[in-house]
Amino acid sequence: DAKTTQPPSMDCAEGRAANLPCNHSTISGNEYVYWYRQIHSQGPQYIIHGLKNNETNEMASLIITEDRKSSTLILPHATLRDTAVYYCIVRGYSGSARQLTFGSGTQLTVLP
Amino acid sequence: KAGVTQTPRYLIKTRGQQVTLSCSPISGHRSVSWYQQTPGQGLQFLFEYFSETQRNKGNFPGRFSGRQFSNSRSEMNVSTLELGDSALYLCASSDSRQGSYGYTFGSGTRLTVV
Repeated sequence: DAKTTQPPSMDCAEGRAANLPCNHSTISGNEYVYWYRQIHSQGPQYIIHGLKNNETNEMASLIITEDRKSSTLILPHATLRDTAVYYCIVRGYSGSARQLTFGSGTQLTVLP
Repeated sequence: KAGVTQTPRYLIKTRGQQVTLSCSPISGHRSVSWYQQTPGQGLQFLFEYFSETQRNKGNFPGRFSGRQFSNSRSEMNVSTLELGDSALYLCASSDSRQGSYGYTFGSGTRLTVV
């Protein structure tokens, strides 16, 4: 799986949009970009995923650049409950690529 | 729809003992994966089972093993426990379709080896 690079930490004011960047410059054509988050001591929670088009669901939006070398997860109106470690993962669908390879993630702290 | 259920939630074992952890996936999900999370190494993949067969394995010693039953429930076993095996063990299930919603994780079993 392609390696991802994320900033180790970010702060965001409550009610504002949180924009979490991820670099995945070695992504290959059949690899998806996934975002998960982990609130302290709980299991990771799926947020969103995409291949090349921008995606939106009830939790967040995912913006993938045209060359697919980077992406941004957007939480439109961050709340205190969004404080968590956010993981950007690139993953294929064959053989050993099925597993999720977690990096260090970004610790997002939403401030009141 | 019930989520992924892991039992027990907490466990304390003595070095040298063995332990078995259980995971019940979401109904209809046939893929179950196991991960170990420690402060030093982060989240690391242990193995994945699909239809009772181990499909993928991470870089862990043979003391770590698992199995999956016909109802997709999975167990993982760690023999000859070491202090370094203290960790949060997470199970995740997936319906394994390409482009699917990915994995749903359980709340984990926190294992402490003393």
